[in-house]
Amino acid sequence: QITLKESGPTLVKPTQTLTLTCTFSEFSLNTNGVGVGWIRQPPGKALEWLALIYWDDDKRYSPSLKSRLTITKDTSKNQVVLTMTNMDPVDTATYYCAHNSRLFGSGSYAYYFDYWGQGTLVAVSS
Amino acid sequence: DIQMTQSPSSVSASVGDRVTITCRASQGISSWLAWYQQKPGKAPKLLIYAASSLQSGVPSRFSGSGSGTDFTLTISSLQPEDFATYYCQQSNSFPWTFGQGTKVEVK
Repeated sequence: QITLKESGPTLVKPTQTLTLTCTFSEFSLNTNGVGVGWIRQPPGKALEWLALIYWDDDKRYSPSLKSRLTITKDTSKNQVVLTMTNMDPVDTATYYCAHNSRLFGSGSYAYYFDYWGQGTLVAVSS
Repeated sequence: DIQMTQSPSSVSASVGDRVTITCRASQGISSWLAWYQQKPGKAPKLLIYAASSLQSGVPSRFSGSGSGTDFTLTISSLQPEDFATYYCQQSNSFPWTFGQGTKVEVK
């Protein structure tokens, strides 16, 4: 059973850098077609995709946050790390990491988030 | 960016009802669409991928349809555990985007 778990600070101050770690099990980021992504959700609001890293180290970022985000992987530790610089109160949200799998349907392969971590709430306040 | 618009924002329904939620993309996304269910305080759960493929373990009362710009999630007979918020998400092109969500509430 694939599992993922987010860890990191629950409170950061404005302008600080947030570092979140996603530790996963029962899959490898060395496997062709596998990725891990980060998604956030402000309280009471919708989901927002942030970043994604693939088995081949291909990285994708939300354009609106690209200048502030860095995603990396450590395959030996089964971890993916997301850093977000210059945190602001509007970045207060639950941050999720999720397994991104290549699934076949409607005649083609595409990538979807099929397993999610429980999420970690990060508050930004002075 | 591709905008995903869901309607309605909320729907009130009773157990046994048929519930339909729509998702419209601002441009064509072929069939690269997923539906997720989220309950309060929990992570989203993948229900449907590729617009109409049922994720393993998801009850068959859930179904998806559509292609191009217009998509539908249908719950054929609403069960007590189905009261939740539902999101669509496109993976046709980056940045991947989610709809604003549809809350299925008790009537």
